[in-house]
Order: sequence, then C-alpha cells, then structure tokens
Amino acid sequence: DAGVIQSPRHEVTEMGQEVTLRCKPISGHNSLFWYRQTMMRGLELLIYFNNNVPIDDSGMPEDRFSAKMPNASFSTLKIQPSEPRDSAVYFCASSLVRAPSEKLFFGSGTQLSVL
Amino acid sequence: SQKIEQNSEALNIQEGKTATLTCNYTNYSPAYLQWYRQDPGRGPVFLLLIRENEKEKRKERLKVTFDTTLKQSLFHITASQPADSATYLCALDRGGADGLTFGKGTHLIIQP
Repeated sequence: DAGVIQSPRHEVTEMGQEVTLRCKPISGHNSLFWYRQTMMRGLELLIYFNNNVPIDDSGMPEDRFSAKMPNASFSTLKIQPSEPRDSAVYFCASSLVRAPSEKLFFGSGTQLSVL
Repeated sequence: SQKIEQNSEALNIQEGKTATLTCNYTNYSPAYLQWYRQDPGRGPVFLLLIRENEKEKRKERLKVTFDTTLKQSLFHITASQPADSATYLCALDRGGADGLTFGKGTHLIIQP
C-alpha cells in the first residue's frame, strides 16, 4: 500500500490567494483527519471525517477554512483567502475506523508558506 | 480540554544508554494512550498503544508505562542508537468527538 498520499508537498502563495491541499487516504480506511503543525502549537486537529461525513470541525480556525470529502478516496482542505499566519505543515491521516484504540497513518504533509 | 505536557527541551542521551521520555496530562484520564515518532520532514509514525488497565507495554527495545494515578506515561528506549534520534509524540483519545490529541513532542538526540 502506498500509504496516505498528500499533495502538494510544498506550497508557496501570496496572502489573499486560495490554497487547496489534497489527500488520498489508505484504501479501506473509514476515518480521515486533517491536522496542522506549528512550532508554537504543535499538532492540532482541524477536522475529521467518518465514512466521508464531517464529524468534528471545531478545530477549524475560522470560516476561511473548509474541508470536503466527496468520496472515500479523496479529501481537500481549502483556505480562502490565505493569510501569513496560516503558514504551517498540514497533515492528513487516516485510520481503519474511528476508535480511540485505532492508530493513525499520516501522510508526509504539505508545507504551506503564505507570504 | 485536555492538556498534554512533554519536555520541550531536547533530550541528549549517549548511545547505548536508556532514554526516558515523559508525557503528563491533565483533566480526564484517557482509555488509551499512544506514542508516535516523527522524523524531520515526515509525518508521525505510530509506535505503541497502551490501555488504561495495562501498566506496561513492550515492543523490542521500546517500553511504555501508563500511570493513571499520576496521569503520566513514560516512554523508554533501551540500548539507544543514533538512529533513534527523532521527535517523539504522545497522544490521548477519550473516544469522544475530540479525536486524537497530541503533545508537542520531545526531541531526542542519541549521541555516538
């Protein structure tokens, strides 16, 4: 299995532009998570999906952030408009099911820089 | 909300010694606690999971303890090697809508 696949690996954009991050979870996994990592705040859960349905988006910073999962093999995280404080590494992770005993499989992340 | 504390300063250990990392948490006691390893430029990788009714869990050179009274987990790497150098993250999940909450991690450096 190729694991969780994220694209792009690096994204540099200017403030105000729209940014779309993409994720392909491991085949057969029913839960998908979006995390953001910064030095100051560590890994923060933004939103997660169970069977393609958003369950908890309380971690989404504000209305500029939105996430979709149109099918079991694809998810997007969109920032519009982007701001310099959005600069971070964004990780997508998936698990077989949503349960506290389930381990997460992470992608390699997208390094986002907003100038 | 849950607060997870890990040593923010880097931990330097000589090769061959045992490295011990600490994870302290406040508020609720989770039913499960997980440890992950993260290398630069990569996503975290799962290492071990321990349940609240387990005092200790081992996997090769790794050992995790879970003390729900102290609200603390210890992560040990015995016979440490330079290849063990990485950031180690602990994570808690109480099974609600919160999902898996991570500590900021401890950067471990094993010196030859």
